[in-house]
This record gives sequence, structure tokens and C-alpha cells, in this order.
Amino acid sequence: DTGVSQDPRHKITKRGQNVTFRCDPISEHNRLYWYRQTLGQGPEFLTYFQNEAQLEKSRLLSDRFSAERPKGSFSTLEIQRTEQGDSAMYLCASSFRPGPEYEAFFGQGTRLTVV
Amino acid sequence: DQQVKQNSPSLSVQEGRISILNCDYTNSMFDYFLWYKKYPAEGPTFLISISSIKDKNEDGRFTVFLNKSAKHLSLHIVPSQPGDSAVYFCAASKVNRDDKIIFGKGTRLHILP
Repeated sequence: DTGVSQDPRHKITKRGQNVTFRCDPISEHNRLYWYRQTLGQGPEFLTYFQNEAQLEKSRLLSDRFSAERPKGSFSTLEIQRTEQGDSAMYLCASSFRPGPEYEAFFGQGTRLTVV
Repeated sequence: DQQVKQNSPSLSVQEGRISILNCDYTNSMFDYFLWYKKYPAEGPTFLISISSIKDKNEDGRFTVFLNKSAKHLSLHIVPSQPGDSAVYFCAASKVNRDDKIIFGKGTRLHILP
């Protein structure tokens, strides 16, 4: 499977715990995005990387959130001291820039439930 | 503020007829537009895109139309098939600037037998 891979697919955690998600992009893609989707909403931009450099962080990304892409390949998104409002689908996408096409390809997502 | 707006939360269309999904945007700096399809418990799947230098792009049963002066785009699916039942997201990007993709809230399409 050469698509975007996310792990885990589902995570249930208690409020106050830390969680970490992993995303493996399509191998030749240098751009990696993180989005969050809640019920009835479209994917909301959180942050993105060009290789290992984090280019932008949304104001949605509070201090409890941190994302890394240490070697320009896979990425991790960590949420510290989780809150019930963090419950959502966390989506990762990748693309190649610059390139003739500008679409990003998404993984299956990680469904986080904070209880 | 919602820069990409899909004002119809849902749409029902008879199988075999044309489905038309609409999208409006507010930021004139957007220069690339995309449509994604999403099934429950899956990530969005890219469908079709269009650059702002074009007004139409076609791929099989899917056609996207762009009206820059009205800041409006639409996705036409013809003929509609049962497998087209899903949530469709309109999205926009500024490829010559920050390049992140901004999504609308989606339209749920129901194809009726």
C-alpha cells in the first residue's frame, strides 16, 4: 500500500492523558499536513511541513499540541493533557511541492475519543 | 470566518440524473480549487480540481465549473450512481502563496434508487 498511513485508527483516552499519533506520507511527497475534523464540519487545518520544516501552525493548535517531522519522512502529532474538546478525527495528508498537481492525498484518519 | 462555503448540507438526487453541488468562496487570492469525497470512517478522497486560469475541468462523470467573478464553483456528476452517495467537500488553496488547503463544511449527497 503506497498511500498515506495513519496509526492508530482509533484511540480512546482519559481526560488529562497524553496521546501521540503517527502519519507516514506517500514516500516521494515532501509536504505533509495535519487536519482535524469534528462532526458536521469540514477538515480544519492544523499545521503543515515542507520536508522537516514546520511552515505554519493554525491558532487552533494550542500549546498542548505539538507536531514534528524529524527526518522529513513520517510525522507525529502529540496532544498533552487531553480535554474532551479534543475528541475528533485527526487527518494527515501529503503532497509534492512544487509539482504540476496541487492536490493532497489523505490517510484514513485517527479517531480520538477523550472520556 | 468561513472562506469556503457550502450552503447546502444535503442533497438528494435520483439515480441516473445529474447531481450539482455548489460552493462559494470569499478570498479572491485562492487560485486552485478541489473537490473531495468522503465515506464514513474514511479519509477524504481527491476527486477533481481546477486552476483559476480555467473555467471548466472534466474527468469522466465529474465536471467542475469555476466562475471567478461570482467566486462560485460547482461539481456536476452525471449520471449519478448509488456509489456516489457520500459527503463532498469543496476546498481551495493559494498555490502561489501559503498553499494550505481550506475546506468547506461539506454537502451530503444521497442518490435515490
